[in-house]
Amino acid sequence: AQTVTQSQPEMSVQEAETVTLSCTYDTSENNYYLFWYKQPPSRQMILVIRQEAYKQQNATENRFSVNFQKAAKSFSLKISDSQLGDTAMYFCAFMKMSDMRFGAGTRLTVKP
Amino acid sequence: GAVVSQHPSWVICKSGTSVKIECRSLDFQATTMFWYRQFPKQSLMLMATSNEGSKATYEQGVEKDKFLINHASLTLSTLTVTSAHPEDSSFYICSGSLISPGPAFFGQGTRLTVV
Repeated sequence: AQTVTQSQPEMSVQEAETVTLSCTYDTSENNYYLFWYKQPPSRQMILVIRQEAYKQQNATENRFSVNFQKAAKSFSLKISDSQLGDTAMYFCAFMKMSDMRFGAGTRLTVKP
Repeated sequence: GAVVSQHPSWVICKSGTSVKIECRSLDFQATTMFWYRQFPKQSLMLMATSNEGSKATYEQGVEKDKFLINHASLTLSTLTVTSAHPEDSSFYICSGSLISPGPAFFGQGTRLTVV
C-alpha cells in the first residue's frame, strides 16, 4: 500500500508571507495523482491543487503552487501571500486508480 | 468544482439502532465513491471504496456487516451503520470521483453520535 508522510504537524506564517508544506510518499507505481486538500474548521474538504505524475511541469493555482520531485517522491505545497482564510488543516493525498490515501495533515495558522 | 452533498450533517442515535448516511454527487456522475472516518485532529481513514453497481471494497479492519455500503447509482452512495455503539461515534465523510484516478470531491461530512 502507498504511504503518505507529512512531517510537519503544525506550522504558522505571518499574513502576506510565503509558507511551504512538505509531503513525501512511497510507491512503486509510475502513474498516479497527487493532491493537496484543505480542511478549514467547517471540516469541508476542499481541493487546492492536483498534479499528475506524468507531467513534469509543476502545477499552480493562483497563490498555490507545488514542487513535484518525482524521483525523490516529494510533493510540497507553497502558499504565497498567505491570507487569514488559509488557516486550516492541509492534507496531502496520493491516488492510484481507485485507491486514495491521505497524509496525517499539517495544521497551518496564518497570523495577522 | 463538482458538488457532493452528504446528508445528514449530524445525527444522534441510540445504541443498537441503525443509521443511514447518504452521499450524492449533484452535478457529475461519480464512478467511484469513497467513505472515510475521521477522528478529532486526525487524518481521514479510508473505510471503503465503491464503484457503481458493484460491491464495495473494504479496508482491512473495517467490518463489512457493520458498515453497509451501497452504490446503487452513479449519483448516490449510502453508508449504513448497523447496530451502532458509542465507539462508532465519529465524523464520516464521503467523496466522489468522476474518473479514476482523478480528483475526489467531498461531502460536508456527518457527525454521528451514538448514545
